[in-house]
Amino acid sequence: NAGVTQTPKFQVLKTGQSMTLQCAQDMNHEYMSWYRQDPGMGLRLIHYSVGAGITDQGEVPNGYNVSRSTTEDFPLRLLSAAPSQTSVYFCASSSPAGAYHEQFFGPGTRLTVL
Amino acid sequence: GENVEQHPSTLSVQEGDSAVIKCTYSDSASNYFPWYKQELGKRPQLIIDIRSNVGEKKDQRIAVTLNKTAKHFSLHITETQPEDSAVYFCAASMWNSGGSNYKLTFGKGTLLTVNP
Repeated sequence: NAGVTQTPKFQVLKTGQSMTLQCAQDMNHEYMSWYRQDPGMGLRLIHYSVGAGITDQGEVPNGYNVSRSTTEDFPLRLLSAAPSQTSVYFCASSSPAGAYHEQFFGPGTRLTVL
Repeated sequence: GENVEQHPSTLSVQEGDSAVIKCTYSDSASNYFPWYKQELGKRPQLIIDIRSNVGEKKDQRIAVTLNKTAKHFSLHITETQPEDSAVYFCAASMWNSGGSNYKLTFGKGTLLTVNP
Protein backbone atom coordinates (compact mmCIF):
# COMPACT_ATOMS: atom_id res chain seq x y z
CA ASN A 1 0.00 0.00 0.00
CA ALA A 2 1.21 3.48 -0.87
CA GLY A 3 -1.09 4.95 1.80
CA VAL A 4 -1.92 8.62 1.19
CA THR A 5 -0.06 10.29 -1.66
CA GLN A 6 0.03 13.96 -2.64
CA THR A 7 1.31 15.79 -5.69
CA PRO A 8 3.12 18.02 -6.25
CA LYS A 9 5.54 18.18 -3.31
CA PHE A 10 6.41 21.81 -4.01
CA GLN A 11 4.67 24.51 -6.03
CA VAL A 12 5.21 28.21 -6.63
CA LEU A 13 2.33 30.26 -7.99
CA LYS A 14 1.78 33.85 -8.86
CA THR A 15 -1.13 35.75 -7.36
CA GLY A 16 -4.29 35.05 -9.31
CA GLN A 17 -3.20 31.73 -10.77
CA SER A 18 -5.24 28.61 -10.20
CA MET A 19 -4.09 25.09 -9.52
CA THR A 20 -5.17 21.74 -8.14
CA LEU A 21 -3.44 19.84 -5.37
CA GLN A 22 -3.87 16.12 -5.83
CA CYS A 23 -4.53 13.60 -3.08
CA ALA A 24 -5.09 9.89 -3.41
CA GLN A 25 -5.36 6.97 -0.99
CA ASP A 26 -5.37 3.24 -1.62
CA MET A 27 -6.73 2.11 1.75
CA ASN A 28 -10.41 2.29 0.74
CA HIS A 29 -11.03 4.92 3.41
CA GLU A 30 -14.40 6.65 3.36
CA TYR A 31 -13.21 9.83 5.04
CA MET A 32 -10.77 12.29 3.51
CA SER A 33 -9.76 15.76 4.68
CA TRP A 34 -7.57 18.68 3.70
CA TYR A 35 -5.62 20.66 6.29
CA ARG A 36 -3.29 23.61 6.00
CA GLN A 37 -0.36 24.09 8.33
CA ASP A 38 1.03 27.52 9.07
CA PRO A 39 3.82 28.36 11.56
CA GLY A 40 2.43 28.63 15.07
CA MET A 41 -1.11 27.79 13.93
CA GLY A 42 -1.23 24.02 14.04
CA LEU A 43 -3.28 22.24 11.39
CA ARG A 44 -6.56 23.76 10.33
CA LEU A 45 -9.29 21.89 8.49
CA ILE A 46 -10.15 23.29 5.05
CA HIS A 47 -12.66 20.81 3.61
CA TYR A 48 -13.60 17.23 4.27
CA SER A 49 -15.54 14.38 2.67
CA VAL A 50 -17.32 11.43 4.23
CA GLY A 51 -17.68 9.57 0.96
CA ALA A 52 -17.82 9.89 -2.81
CA GLY A 53 -20.09 12.75 -3.81
CA ILE A 54 -20.23 14.24 -0.30
CA THR A 55 -18.11 17.20 0.81
CA ASP A 56 -18.38 19.88 3.47
CA GLN A 57 -16.53 22.92 4.72
CA GLY A 58 -14.09 22.95 7.58
CA GLU A 59 -12.69 25.83 9.58
CA VAL A 60 -10.95 27.75 6.76
CA PRO A 61 -12.72 26.95 3.44
CA ASN A 62 -12.58 30.34 1.70
CA GLY A 63 -10.64 30.34 -1.55
CA TYR A 64 -10.69 26.56 -1.92
CA ASN A 65 -12.94 24.09 -3.70
CA VAL A 66 -13.09 20.32 -3.45
CA SER A 67 -14.92 17.45 -5.09
CA ARG A 68 -14.99 13.72 -4.46
CA SER A 69 -15.95 11.70 -7.51
CA THR A 70 -14.22 8.51 -6.35
CA THR A 71 -13.35 6.97 -3.00
CA GLU A 72 -9.64 7.17 -3.81
CA ASP A 73 -9.21 10.80 -4.90
CA PHE A 74 -9.87 14.12 -3.18
CA PRO A 75 -8.37 17.08 -5.10
CA LEU A 76 -8.15 20.58 -3.64
CA ARG A 77 -8.54 23.48 -6.04
CA LEU A 78 -7.26 26.99 -5.54
CA LEU A 79 -9.38 29.19 -7.77
CA SER A 80 -7.32 32.41 -7.62
CA ALA A 81 -4.22 32.05 -5.50
CA ALA A 82 -3.40 34.71 -2.91
CA PRO A 83 -0.24 35.19 -0.81
CA SER A 84 -2.31 34.29 2.28
CA GLN A 85 -2.60 30.77 0.86
CA THR A 86 1.14 30.23 1.17
CA SER A 87 1.23 27.18 3.44
CA VAL A 88 1.90 23.48 3.71
CA TYR A 89 -1.14 21.44 2.73
CA PHE A 90 -1.81 17.98 4.12
CA CYS A 91 -4.39 15.52 2.95
CA ALA A 92 -5.58 12.84 5.38
CA SER A 93 -7.82 9.80 5.26
CA SER A 94 -9.50 7.58 7.81
CA SER A 95 -12.16 4.94 8.10
CA PRO A 96 -15.07 4.60 10.52
CA ALA A 97 -14.81 0.82 10.36
CA GLY A 98 -13.65 -1.09 13.40
CA ALA A 99 -12.06 0.37 16.51
CA TYR A 100 -9.06 1.98 14.85
CA HIS A 101 -9.70 5.57 13.81
CA GLU A 102 -6.30 6.96 12.99
CA GLN A 103 -6.14 9.73 10.42
CA PHE A 104 -3.34 8.92 8.00
CA PHE A 105 -1.62 11.95 6.54
CA GLY A 106 0.00 12.39 3.17
CA PRO A 107 3.53 13.81 2.82
CA GLY A 108 2.28 17.34 2.21
CA THR A 109 2.50 19.97 -0.52
CA ARG A 110 4.48 23.12 0.17
CA LEU A 111 2.83 25.99 -1.71
CA THR A 112 4.25 29.47 -2.13
CA VAL A 113 2.16 32.24 -3.67
CA LEU A 114 4.11 35.27 -4.82
CA GLY B 1 -17.05 24.98 17.29
CA GLU B 2 -14.32 23.21 19.19
CA ASN B 3 -11.29 25.13 20.41
CA VAL B 4 -8.12 23.39 21.59
CA GLU B 5 -5.44 25.21 23.56
CA GLN B 6 -1.98 23.65 23.89
CA HIS B 7 0.86 24.54 26.25
CA PRO B 8 3.74 25.08 26.25
CA SER B 9 4.61 26.16 22.73
CA THR B 10 8.24 25.14 23.27
CA LEU B 11 9.78 22.70 25.73
CA SER B 12 13.44 21.87 26.22
CA VAL B 13 14.51 18.94 28.41
CA GLN B 14 17.65 16.95 29.11
CA GLU B 15 17.88 13.43 27.82
CA GLY B 16 16.36 11.07 30.36
CA ASP B 17 14.04 13.66 31.86
CA SER B 18 10.27 13.59 31.53
CA ALA B 19 8.23 15.92 29.33
CA VAL B 20 4.60 16.95 29.82
CA ILE B 21 2.43 18.75 27.28
CA LYS B 22 -1.03 19.95 28.24
CA CYS B 23 -4.18 20.66 26.24
CA THR B 24 -7.63 21.94 27.04
CA TYR B 25 -10.73 21.70 24.88
CA SER B 26 -13.96 23.64 24.87
CA ASP B 27 -16.66 21.32 23.49
CA SER B 28 -17.94 18.87 26.08
CA ALA B 29 -19.22 16.67 23.23
CA SER B 30 -15.65 15.87 22.13
CA ASN B 31 -14.73 12.34 23.11
CA TYR B 32 -11.68 11.40 21.07
CA PHE B 33 -8.24 12.90 21.75
CA PRO B 34 -5.27 11.87 19.59
CA TRP B 35 -1.70 13.05 19.81
CA TYR B 36 0.43 13.45 16.70
CA LYS B 37 4.20 13.73 16.35
CA GLN B 38 5.66 15.65 13.43
CA GLU B 39 9.36 15.53 12.72
CA LEU B 40 10.91 18.35 10.73
CA GLY B 41 9.72 18.26 7.12
CA LYS B 42 7.62 15.15 7.67
CA ARG B 43 3.93 14.36 7.93
CA PRO B 44 2.11 14.18 11.30
CA GLN B 45 1.89 10.65 12.67
CA LEU B 46 -0.36 9.34 15.41
CA ILE B 47 1.54 8.29 18.53
CA ILE B 48 -1.28 7.68 21.00
CA ASP B 49 -4.97 8.43 21.43
CA ILE B 50 -7.57 8.24 24.16
CA ARG B 51 -11.33 8.14 24.28
CA SER B 52 -13.45 9.77 26.95
CA ASN B 53 -14.45 6.50 28.58
CA VAL B 54 -10.82 6.02 29.63
CA GLY B 55 -8.85 8.17 32.09
CA GLU B 56 -5.35 7.08 31.18
CA LYS B 57 -3.57 5.14 28.47
CA LYS B 58 0.07 4.05 28.26
CA ASP B 59 2.27 2.82 25.47
CA GLN B 60 5.85 2.17 26.59
CA ARG B 61 7.36 5.59 27.40
CA ILE B 62 4.30 7.55 26.34
CA ALA B 63 1.12 8.08 28.34
CA VAL B 64 -1.93 10.26 27.97
CA THR B 65 -4.28 11.31 30.76
CA LEU B 66 -7.76 12.78 30.40
CA ASN B 67 -9.85 14.80 32.85
CA LYS B 68 -13.32 15.11 31.33
CA THR B 69 -14.64 17.33 34.10
CA ALA B 70 -11.89 19.88 33.58
CA LYS B 71 -11.81 19.29 29.79
CA HIS B 72 -8.09 18.77 30.01
CA PHE B 73 -5.74 16.11 28.63
CA SER B 74 -1.99 15.70 28.76
CA LEU B 75 0.85 13.84 27.05
CA HIS B 76 3.60 12.43 29.24
CA ILE B 77 6.91 11.21 27.80
CA THR B 78 9.29 9.53 30.22
CA GLU B 79 13.00 8.83 29.78
CA THR B 80 13.19 11.21 26.84
CA GLN B 81 15.63 10.52 24.04
CA PRO B 82 17.03 12.82 21.32
CA GLU B 83 14.80 11.09 18.75
CA ASP B 84 11.77 12.34 20.69
CA SER B 85 12.64 15.84 19.46
CA ALA B 86 9.75 16.96 17.24
CA VAL B 87 6.57 19.03 17.21
CA TYR B 88 3.71 17.41 19.09
CA PHE B 89 0.08 18.24 18.37
CA CYS B 90 -2.95 17.42 20.45
CA ALA B 91 -6.36 17.25 18.83
CA ALA B 92 -9.99 16.70 19.70
CA SER B 93 -13.02 15.40 17.86
CA MET B 94 -16.38 13.81 18.42
CA TRP B 95 -16.34 10.12 17.62
CA ASN B 96 -19.29 7.78 17.57
CA SER B 97 -19.95 4.30 16.28
CA GLY B 98 -20.58 5.76 12.84
CA GLY B 99 -17.19 7.44 12.95
CA SER B 100 -16.70 11.21 13.07
CA ASN B 101 -12.96 11.51 13.40
CA TYR B 102 -12.50 13.31 10.11
CA LYS B 103 -13.01 16.67 11.81
CA LEU B 104 -10.03 16.98 14.05
CA THR B 105 -9.42 20.31 15.79
CA PHE B 106 -5.72 20.66 16.52
CA GLY B 107 -3.80 22.58 19.11
CA LYS B 108 -1.05 24.88 17.84
CA GLY B 109 1.74 22.45 18.66
CA THR B 110 4.64 22.08 21.07
CA LEU B 111 8.24 22.01 19.85
CA LEU B 112 10.02 19.51 22.09
CA THR B 113 13.80 19.56 22.10
CA VAL B 114 15.66 16.80 23.93
CA ASN B 115 19.25 17.79 24.62
CA PRO B 116 21.83 14.98 24.77
